[in-house]
Amino acid sequence: SQTIHQWPATLVQPVGSPLSLECTVEGTSNPNLYWYRQAAGRGLQLLFYSVGIGQISSEVPQNLSASRPQDRQFILSSKKLLLSDSGFYLCAWQLPGQGSNEQFFGPGTRLTVL
Amino acid sequence: GQSLEQPSEVTAVEGAIVQINCTYQTSGFYGLSWYQQHDGGAPTFLSYNALDGLEETGRFSSFLSRSDSYGYLLLQELQMKDSASYFCAVASGGSYIPTFGRGTSLIVHP
Repeated sequence: SQTIHQWPATLVQPVGSPLSLECTVEGTSNPNLYWYRQAAGRGLQLLFYSVGIGQISSEVPQNLSASRPQDRQFILSSKKLLLSDSGFYLCAWQLPGQGSNEQFFGPGTRLTVL
Repeated sequence: GQSLEQPSEVTAVEGAIVQINCTYQTSGFYGLSWYQQHDGGAPTFLSYNALDGLEETGRFSSFLSRSDSYGYLLLQELQMKDSASYFCAVASGGSYIPTFGRGTSLIVHP
């Protein structure tokens, strides 16, 4: 069966510090991978998606970046965090071209920037 | 661009039926999905409608009208555990990448 892991679960970082969030998927090959951010009480904002190794599409210009060094690994990074980067970060995977449009989400990382 | 509208909050009592509406504006529409998210948790997939009509899965049903750009999620025999946020999402524009609505907070009272 497929599983998706994210770590850390919670993170408190000072403004201006770097960030690295990791997401890994097991039990599937060549998935589409996604990073979302959710502010408190709000919807899901798509940040990045990837259809393959080294292929990253950015949806929102910001101080974040993403990389996909391996088929089932997706990393979200920042060189200098801003206060506005606080939120709940969710990684998700999806089978390519899937008719049901179903996405599977990881447990999320709650980031607080102080 | 794409836009979705759903109510911000709905309240109901245990055992009742509740309907959460979603209207959307998009081009190249593929389908409408629904996700459930409990406080502090990750969204989980509930249903997907690509064609007009009603899809039933246990106590939950989802409806789509492509001509009206409208859908709804129907929850029957409400339970306290159904208290959560519910998001509609559309896939369109040449890809299956969903765009999510802002979510509806469902509060179930005893």
